[in-house]
Amino acid sequence: SAVISQKPSRDICQRGTSLTIQCQVDSQVTMMFWYRQQPGQSLTLIATANQGSEATYESGFVIDKFPISRPNLTFSTLTVSNMSPEDSSIYLCSVEDPTSHEQYFGPGTRLTVT
Amino acid sequence: QKEVEQDPGPLSVPEGAIVSLNCTYSNSAFQYFMWYRQYSRKGPELLMYTYSSGNKEDGRFTAQVDKSSKYISLFIRDSQPSDSATYLCAMSVGGKLIFGQGTELSVKP
Repeated sequence: SAVISQKPSRDICQRGTSLTIQCQVDSQVTMMFWYRQQPGQSLTLIATANQGSEATYESGFVIDKFPISRPNLTFSTLTVSNMSPEDSSIYLCSVEDPTSHEQYFGPGTRLTVT
Repeated sequence: QKEVEQDPGPLSVPEGAIVSLNCTYSNSAFQYFMWYRQYSRKGPELLMYTYSSGNKEDGRFTAQVDKSSKYISLFIRDSQPSDSATYLCAMSVGGKLIFGQGTELSVKP
């Protein structure tokens, strides 16, 4: 299985600012995904990030609020822009094994917006 | 109606009990079915993965899929206190995972 790391592991930010979360994988993968897990809730897909193409966003998520970069096959970033307390969540990246279609998750970034 | 429904629990059982966790779904296009375990303040850990109807066993864990009834289950035998976590079912189509609400399980010594 892929080993995924995320930075930062946690952060406390002021409203109106932006935070960029990094996701690094130990192997090359085509499909990477960004999820949000709000307090006490399950995971919701924000967007799919494929290398060499624009990210595809799910209903309710927009590029201006959550810009994503995917510069190569092992790395991606998610920016949470103009933050409000409602953005306080855990943000997780995941990757899909292209052969088995199993998906593996990073440890998450715990964001608190004050 | 949500695409994936999971009883949120919480569920509390004594050590050694058999645990049954269940999810139903409405989208026939789902191709892959997964169970994740999530400990507090950790990312989800893939426990079981299946893509066809039937049973798949891995140690104390058995995943069951019934595509005709749109129903999946996870059974945990001889449950241990270390199994205490939130269990999430997830279903995939086109690489996108749709999660159930998660069931919080507590196994008491």
